[in-house]
Order: sequence, then structure tokens, then C-alpha cells
Amino acid sequence: DAKTTQPPSMDCAEGRAANLPCNHSTISGNEYVYWYRQIHSQGPQYIIHGLKNNETNEMASLIITEDRKSSTLILPHATLRDTAVYYCIVRGNSNSGYALNFGKGTSLLVTP
Amino acid sequence: EADIYQTPRYLVIGTGKKITLECSQTMGHDKMYWYQQDPGMELHLIHYSYGVNSTEKGDLSSESTVSRIRTEHFPLTLESARPSHTSQYLCASSEYPSGGPRTVFFGEGSRLTVL
Repeated sequence: DAKTTQPPSMDCAEGRAANLPCNHSTISGNEYVYWYRQIHSQGPQYIIHGLKNNETNEMASLIITEDRKSSTLILPHATLRDTAVYYCIVRGNSNSGYALNFGKGTSLLVTP
Repeated sequence: EADIYQTPRYLVIGTGKKITLECSQTMGHDKMYWYQQDPGMELHLIHYSYGVNSTEKGDLSSESTVSRIRTEHFPLTLESARPSHTSQYLCASSEYPSGGPRTVFFGEGSRLTVL
């Protein structure tokens, strides 16, 4: 698995866009980028994934650079309920049972 | 929405007791996982399963054991609980399509306190 680097913490004002960066400079061609979040020690929740193209769903947008060495998760209008730890994970086709390898993530605090 | 369930959600138990944490999923997923997470710390994989009758140790050594007799069930057992086992245990599952992305779904966790 490629190693990922995320800032330990970020703040965002409620209603503003939250842009969470992730570096994955050792990513290989067949590895997807996944984003999960964990709200107050609940089970992690899947947000979005991508391979090469930018992706958008009802929760967020994922912007992947052309060289695929970094990506940004965008929460377009952050709410207080988006306060959570956000994990950027890069995983290939073979792993320990295809398990996710969680790092420390980014602790996002959305303030009123 | 993910259909993966863990029971009990909270358990307080004395040292030396045997405990089993239940995990069930209704999605027909082949792969299942157990993670351990201490408060404010990272998640660590302790067990995983490729399917029925398949179990493997994860990256973090654990005194717990698991079994996979049925596709939908993946219980975790501690034969003799100790205070060092106090933690949150998270169960997860994923499908196994050939190629392509694999989304992993998590239960809400079982928070174990051993006195």
C-alpha cells in the first residue's frame, strides 16, 4: 500500500467549504484513493473513492491531481455534524485480506 | 446503508471472564475484519477472514480469537479478559469483486471495559 500523509488537524467555519489534503506520492497505477471519516469513535463511514478522475457524490467531492500524487477531499458546505477524523487511504489489489490501513487522519473541527 | 451489526455495544466485565463479541452482516460479503481502537488512537487490524473457515491474524497481535463458520457471522472471543483488553472493537466487511474498488463497511463498535 502507498503511504499517505495528512495534516493532523484543521478548522473550518460552518457553511464554508472544507478542503482536506492528502499526499500519496508513492501511489501506483492501480491503487484507488479512499476517504473515510469517523465521528466520535463510531464505526468509520465511507465517503468517496477515486482512481484518476475527479469524483463527486452526495457527501463530498474528490479532486485527484494529474500525477495522482495528492488529492483533496472537499466538503462543500461544512456543518457541525461534519466534525470528525477524516482518513485518506490508498489501497491496491492485494493486502491483508484487502483490509484498510488507517493512519492518524485529519481531525476536522467545524465551528459555528 | 451498511447492514453490519455488533453486539453488545457496551460491556463492563470483571477480570478472568470469557467474553464473545458478536458481528453479523446481511450483505453476503466474503471478507470480514476486526479492528481494535483505543480512545483517541488509530485503528489496528487484529483479525480478518476471506470467507467461511478462513481466519488470519492481523497486523496487531491480539490474545483474542475469531471464527467464521457462517458467511454472515464473525464473532470475536476473549477466553480470559484482562484490564489490558479494555478497548473498542470494530467489525467490518467488504465484498470481493474481481478488480475495481472495494468499499469496506463498519459496524458501530463494541466498547469493552475490563475491571
